[in-house]
Amino acid sequence: DAKTTQPTSMDCAEGRAANLPCNHSTISGNEYVYWYRQIHSQGPQYIIHGLKNNETNEMASLIITEDRKSSTLILPHATLRDTAVYYCIVREYNAGNMLTFGGGTRLMVKP
Amino acid sequence: DVKVTQSSRYLVKRTGEKVFLECVQDMDHENMFWYRQDPGLGLRLIYFSYDVKMKEKGDIPEGYSVSREKKERFSLILESASTNQTSMYLCASSPDLQRVSTGELFFGEGSRLTVL
Repeated sequence: DAKTTQPTSMDCAEGRAANLPCNHSTISGNEYVYWYRQIHSQGPQYIIHGLKNNETNEMASLIITEDRKSSTLILPHATLRDTAVYYCIVREYNAGNMLTFGGGTRLMVKP
Repeated sequence: DVKVTQSSRYLVKRTGEKVFLECVQDMDHENMFWYRQDPGLGLRLIYFSYDVKMKEKGDIPEGYSVSREKKERFSLILESASTNQTSMYLCASSPDLQRVSTGELFFGEGSRLTVL
């Protein structure tokens, strides 16, 4: 069973906020939510992670619902270079060092 | 900046050949990973290593083996390549994931393997 569910694709206008949702309804108490993105022909790039509080860094903000069953990655001012596949993944705290990726959301930022 | 270097960006091999994919990281990370990426399937973990000479199976270890003789180097080995192993292979490294303040993976550029 997939640990996370994301829409397959989304579009966003350049300069507008991109809001990427992720459902992780079976998340357990010690599991973190991580976001990565992969630009075409490159390796994935770490964006942000969080446990239960909202997080913000220079790339994005992460909003986690109070019940932790879903989260939203926000790119506040999307640019054409943000076009990529965005992966929401849940880290299994007691499963060593594994991070399992699902299918991700293909974000297309349009002029 | 962390740098993860994979030895080859593109390889073409024949069925039955032995294939070595090399990965080197320069940040003294304990943890290293090998993933393969296929259209529609996302990234799937093949093997990972949390210390020198230590290895753990990921989700799809069949047909692969790994070697970690030195901390900075993690090799993926296909003993007898098959056409269904045609894929993009991604190496990653990470500092100690038990420290909750970190946990991000640093990926290499990928090695695209075609098995004929």
